[in-house]
Amino acid sequence: EAGVAQSPRYKIIEKRQSVAFWCNPISGHATLYWYQQILGQGPKLLIQFQNNGVVDDSQLPKDRFSAERLKGVDSTLKIQPAKLEDSAVYLCASSPDNRARGYTFGSGTRLTVV
Amino acid sequence: AQSVAQPEDQVNVAEGNPLTVKCTYSVSGNPYLFWYVQYPNRGLQFLLKYITGDNLVKGSYGFEAEFNKSQTSFHLKKPSALVSDSALYFCAGKNNAGNMLTFGGGTRLMVKP
Repeated sequence: EAGVAQSPRYKIIEKRQSVAFWCNPISGHATLYWYQQILGQGPKLLIQFQNNGVVDDSQLPKDRFSAERLKGVDSTLKIQPAKLEDSAVYLCASSPDNRARGYTFGSGTRLTVV
Repeated sequence: AQSVAQPEDQVNVAEGNPLTVKCTYSVSGNPYLFWYVQYPNRGLQFLLKYITGDNLVKGSYGFEAEFNKSQTSFHLKKPSALVSDSALYFCAGKNNAGNMLTFGGGTRLMVKP
């Protein structure tokens, strides 16, 4: 099966600019996650979707971050305006409904805010 | 709240020697535990998981992990390390009621020839 696709692979922006990341999960996976991985740390969940509904966004900085999954398939994560501390790898993952399954991760988007 | 801890930031081992990467967890109910590996500029790759059954779980690339309920641990092991095993390893866990994975902080494994 095809993996989780993410784009772009790399992005460099200046602080206060906006940026968007795209994710296409594995076909048929109902659950989609966005994680933020700061250098030297483990991934931290930002938001979890079940189909096109938000299940958990408690750790999403909603004043600047937004995410959507309009048709229950692809998802976009946006940051506006970006801060220096947003520099990180943004990982998308998907999983089927079976809770015993782990996630499949995409390769991530490395964001550098200068 | 669930948590996963990896007490070692880095583990150094000589090629051919056995390796252990430690993980402890705090998960309510029955834990589902996972190990992932991350190579530079790559996403996380699934290595193995414990759901139920045998405490010793075998995974990809010769890795295995031992679930110990009394010690709430899920250490990753390999009998003979390879230089190519050098990477960042993450332990993760969740309970059987939810989907959200909680990750440990990661352990960098360095295998020297």
